[in-house]
Amino acid sequence: SQQGEEDPQALSIQEGENATMNCSYKTSINNLQWYRQNSGRGLVHLILIRSNEREKHSGRLRVTLDTSKKSSSLLITASRAADTASYFCATDGDDMRFGAGTRLTVKP
Amino acid sequence: GAVVSQHPSRVICKSGTSVKIECRSLDFQATTMFWYRQFPKQSLMLMATSNEGSKATYEQGVEKDKFLINHASLTLSTLTVTSAHPEDSSFYICSAPSRASGTADTQYFGPGTRLTVL
Repeated sequence: SQQGEEDPQALSIQEGENATMNCSYKTSINNLQWYRQNSGRGLVHLILIRSNEREKHSGRLRVTLDTSKKSSSLLITASRAADTASYFCATDGDDMRFGAGTRLTVKP
Repeated sequence: GAVVSQHPSRVICKSGTSVKIECRSLDFQATTMFWYRQFPKQSLMLMATSNEGSKATYEQGVEKDKFLINHASLTLSTLTVTSAHPEDSSFYICSAPSRASGTADTQYFGPGTRLTVL
C-alpha cells in the first residue's frame, strides 16, 4: 500500500516561479526521498533526507522534513519548463512506500 | 483507482536458484512497466523498462541475462532473478503508468517484493 501522500496532485506555474510540493506519511521512517519522473520514463532520484535532518539543499531543490508532523516539502526555485514532470516522495521504514505524486507543469 | 500488485511479497531462496516476481496491473492495461530495486537505506534504482510485446530496455550496469524480464500481456510483467546470489537480496518494486482519457500518466507502484538469498 502507498504511504506517502503528495499534495497538490497537480500544480501549474509559470517559468521562473517557485514550486512547492508537500508529502505526508503515516509511520516512522528512516529517511524520506524525493523522485521525479518524466512522462514515459522511470523514476530519477532527486534527494534523500534522513529522519534526523530538518532541511537539505541540492541545487535549486530544497527539502524540509518535519517528523513531528510526519510531513516533508520539496521546493523547486526558479522553475524551468524542463522541470515539468511528476514528483514523488517515498518513505523508507521497513519497506519503501510511494505516494501518488504531484504532476508539475511549468509553462514557458 | 488503479492498482498494481506484486507477487510474492516476500521470498527466501537458496543461492543458485531462480526466483520469479510478478507485477500485475489489476484494472488497467500497461504497455510499459518499470522495475526497480532498492538496497537497505538507499534510494530506488531503475533496473529496466518492460515493454509489452518487445524486449525490455535495461539501464546501464544491469545484467540482462541475470534479470530476465518478460512482458507477456498488457497486465503482466515478470522479473526473474536467475541463479540468485546473496548480493541479489534486495527490495524489488514495479510501477506502471495509467492514463485516464485526456490526462497525463499517473504512476502506480506495486507493494514490492523482499528477496532474501541465503
